[in-house]
Amino acid sequence: QKEVEQNSGPLSVPEGAIASLNCTYSDRGSQSFFWYRQYSGKSPELIMSIYSNGDKEDGRFTAQLNKASQYVSLLIRDSQPSDSATYLCAVNPFTGNQFYFGTGTSLTVIP
Amino acid sequence: DGGITQSPKYLFRKEGQNVTLSCEQNLNHDAMYWYRQDPGQGLRLIYYSQIVNDFQKGDIAEGYSVSREKKESFPLTVTSAQKNPTAFYLCASKRQDQETQYFGPGTRLLVL
Repeated sequence: QKEVEQNSGPLSVPEGAIASLNCTYSDRGSQSFFWYRQYSGKSPELIMSIYSNGDKEDGRFTAQLNKASQYVSLLIRDSQPSDSATYLCAVNPFTGNQFYFGTGTSLTVIP
Repeated sequence: DGGITQSPKYLFRKEGQNVTLSCEQNLNHDAMYWYRQDPGQGLRLIYYSQIVNDFQKGDIAEGYSVSREKKESFPLTVTSAQKNPTAFYLCASKRQDQETQYFGPGTRLLVL
């Protein structure tokens, strides 16, 4: 079983719509959760981090964490063509300093 | 100008050759990481180091070696034992008292 799982997509949404990206993880003791955005050919850049159950908002981005369901999601409101990228979910389990990454979800925002 | 630098941007390896990828950071971060990214497989951890002169194997360490002689530097050597080295290699770092990793621009390794 993979540590972190994401729907690889591709996910397509029209400009201005809400994009919803999902991630599940297997280690119930995981403490830290991250969303990175990666443009083609570039390195990942951090969008959001979340550590507690509930929602965390930053501009057009909202991260949602449900530890009981081992589920973390990212909502992008008012999606823009510049949001078209691959979104990586990362988890830092409680037991170590090693991060685990999902395979990423490819998002395309259609003008 | 603070950040993480990786060099070269592109690297070509001949069969049987060892090559070394550079990673330098001036963020005063304690921990440094090397990942490999293949299409459709996400990021996989090769090695990581939490302090100078100490490092741990990740999930795919075979065929790779590292050193951490200075806090700022964490070079990765891809040895001839790594039979499928073509990939995008990413270096990352973080402060020990924080959870967030930051990535360098990456090195793309190709086999001739």
